[in-house]
Amino acid sequence: DIQMTQSPPSLSASVGDRVTITCRASQGISNFLAWFQQKPGKAPKSLIFAASILQSGVPSRFSGRGSGTDFTLTISSLQPEDFATYYCQHYFTYPRTFGQGTKVEIK
Amino acid sequence: EVQLVESGGGLVQPGGSLRLSCAASGFSFSNFAMTWVRQAPGKGLEWVSSIVGSGDNTYYTDSVKGRFTISRDTSKNTLYLRMSSLRAEDTAIYFCAKEGRDLGSYPKYWGQGTLVTVSS
Repeated sequence: DIQMTQSPPSLSASVGDRVTITCRASQGISNFLAWFQQKPGKAPKSLIFAASILQSGVPSRFSGRGSGTDFTLTISSLQPEDFATYYCQHYFTYPRTFGQGTKVEIK
Repeated sequence: EVQLVESGGGLVQPGGSLRLSCAASGFSFSNFAMTWVRQAPGKGLEWVSSIVGSGDNTYYTDSVKGRFTISRDTSKNTLYLRMSSLRAEDTAIYFCAKEGRDLGSYPKYWGQGTLVTVSS
C-alpha cells in the first residue's frame, strides 16, 4: 500500500502569512494527488486535484505543486477562513490513502 | 447541484450490523464512482471503500474486508455500506462522496456524514 506522509502535523500562522504544507508518497504516484480542507464539525471540501488544478470556486491564493513522490500545498496569504485542517490523498491505485492531516491554527 | 445525504448511523453493539445509505441527487448517478470515507473521533480521514459506476468493481481497505459490503442501486440513486461484525474501532463519522469521474478519480463532493458508534 502507498503511504502518505504530511508535514508538519500542525502549524501556527498569522493572517497574511505564506504557508506551505508538504505531502510525500512512499512510491511514485505521478500527479494523482488531491488536497482537502476540513473545518471542525464539517465535511471535507475538495481544493485541488491532479496535484495542481484548483477546484472551481477555490481562491487563487491556494496552489499545489509536485509530481512523483513530493507535493506541496501553499496558501500565499493566509485568510481568517483558511484556519482548518488540510489533508492530501493519493488516487493512483487502491487502496486510496490520506495523509495524517495538517492543522493550521491562528498564531 | 450535487447533493449527498447519508443516513442509517447509530449506536450498535460490538459484533452487530448496520446498513448506511447515501441518497444522491443532482448528477447522473450511474456515471460516477462512489466512495465511503470515515473519521474516528478526533482523528484523520480514512478511505473505507469505493465502487465504480456500474457496480461491477468494488474496493476495500484491509481492516473492513470480509465485514463491509459496498453496493449501489441505480434505480434509487442510492449508495449503501453494509457493515457487519462491527468493532469499537469502527466508531466514526462515515462520509459518502461522489468521485470526479467513474475511474481513477478522487472524492469531489461530500455528504455531511452519519455517526456510527460501536459500544456495549
